[in-house]
Order: sequence, then structure tokens, then C-alpha cells
Amino acid sequence: DTGVSQDPRHKITKRGQNVTFRCDPISEHNRLYWYRQTLGQGPEFLTYFQNEAQLEKSRLLSDRFSAERPKGSFSTLEIQRTEQGDSAMYLCASTSSGGNTEAFFGQGTRLTVV
Amino acid sequence: GENVEQHPSTLSVQEGDSAVIKCTYSDSASNYFPWYKQELGKGPQLIIDIRSNVGEKKDQRIAVTLNKTAKHFSLHITETQPEDSAVYFCAAPLSSARQLTFGSGTQLTVLP
Repeated sequence: DTGVSQDPRHKITKRGQNVTFRCDPISEHNRLYWYRQTLGQGPEFLTYFQNEAQLEKSRLLSDRFSAERPKGSFSTLEIQRTEQGDSAMYLCASTSSGGNTEAFFGQGTRLTVV
Repeated sequence: GENVEQHPSTLSVQEGDSAVIKCTYSDSASNYFPWYKQELGKGPQLIIDIRSNVGEKKDQRIAVTLNKTAKHFSLHITETQPEDSAVYFCAAPLSSARQLTFGSGTQLTVLP
């Protein structure tokens, strides 16, 4: 395992469709984060898991967004009824436990809603 | 609200010169300060970080300095090379959160 893996790398969808992204963290990391990044901005926090428990959600995470990490390993982020404003890069990061530690990011999923 | 401010937003330097990017943060309890480099179409890559118990950390051509009293930290890149051209982000955990709050980024261009 050489790093955080995200799939797909790119997704183009029509407005109103549902999309799902997958993140595989570094295997020994028990914390997993989802961020969203729009052009010219820094990543913005969406939600965070410790093992399988979703411990925090940003107000940016509307009811159309849902994230899961059922077995404490990979995670999925689903967006229902996509809107053009959902177009962004969705980034996943993982860290080990124990205070503030290095967060390693995946290459992201670029979502374009047309 | 709690935030991280970064400047400048763009920076152009001649190859071989030094580049400095500065960030300020609002939460005096923050104790971890990473810097990320992001190339076009890729995810952020951690390049250096510093914890609040030290004032400076260096790794080859890259260094980070921290002033906890003033609540600011800086990235220093010496002997810049064209491959240093990228967007650089500072970050910090705010309000006792686990997640990082990022600055708005600095587009560094190293001119050959």
C-alpha cells in the first residue's frame, strides 16, 4: 500500500443524477477525511471518520451528501441529485490516531456536473 | 470565526532565488502546522510540518518557522527550481478539531 487511493479520478454527470466516489486510505490509518476543493481555493472539510464511526460533519455537507465507512477501511461519498454547484475536486485524506499527525491525501476525484 | 490566512496569493521568483510564504492563524491552541504542495490535477502533497514545541524545522531546501506568540508561520524555499512551481497551502487544526483548516493557497512560479 503506497498511499491513499481514490476512484474514479474523473466523473462527468448530468444534473440530477447520483454519484458515488470511493476512497481507500493507507492501510494502518484509522482516521479518514473527506474534503472538497473548488478552483483557486484550499480544501474545505466535509466529514471525518475514526474507524467506522462518522465523528464530525461540516455544515457544507448538505442532506444530499452521505458518507460511509462500513468496515473501518475504505469509504464512499455519495451525492444525490447532483447540482452544478457540486462541481469540484473531492479529496480524501487519512491519518493515524494519536493527536495531530500527518494527513496524506489521495489524488482526488474531479466531479463535473453538466 | 476561526481561520487561516495565507499570503501572497501569487509569487514569481527567478530560479535560484528564495521564496517565502506566510500564514496566520486565529486559534492560539493550534499546535500543528503542515505545508502542502499541489500540482495541477493532483492531490495535495505534504512537504513539511512543524509542531508548536519548536520554532523552526528544515528539510534540505525547505524550512518552516513558527511564531506562536504572533500566531504565524512561514514556508521558506531556498535555491528555487522550476519544479518548485506549484500551489502551496498552509493548514492548521482550529477549535480543537481533528481536521485541518487550509489557507487559500499561493501560486508559486519559478522563472528559468
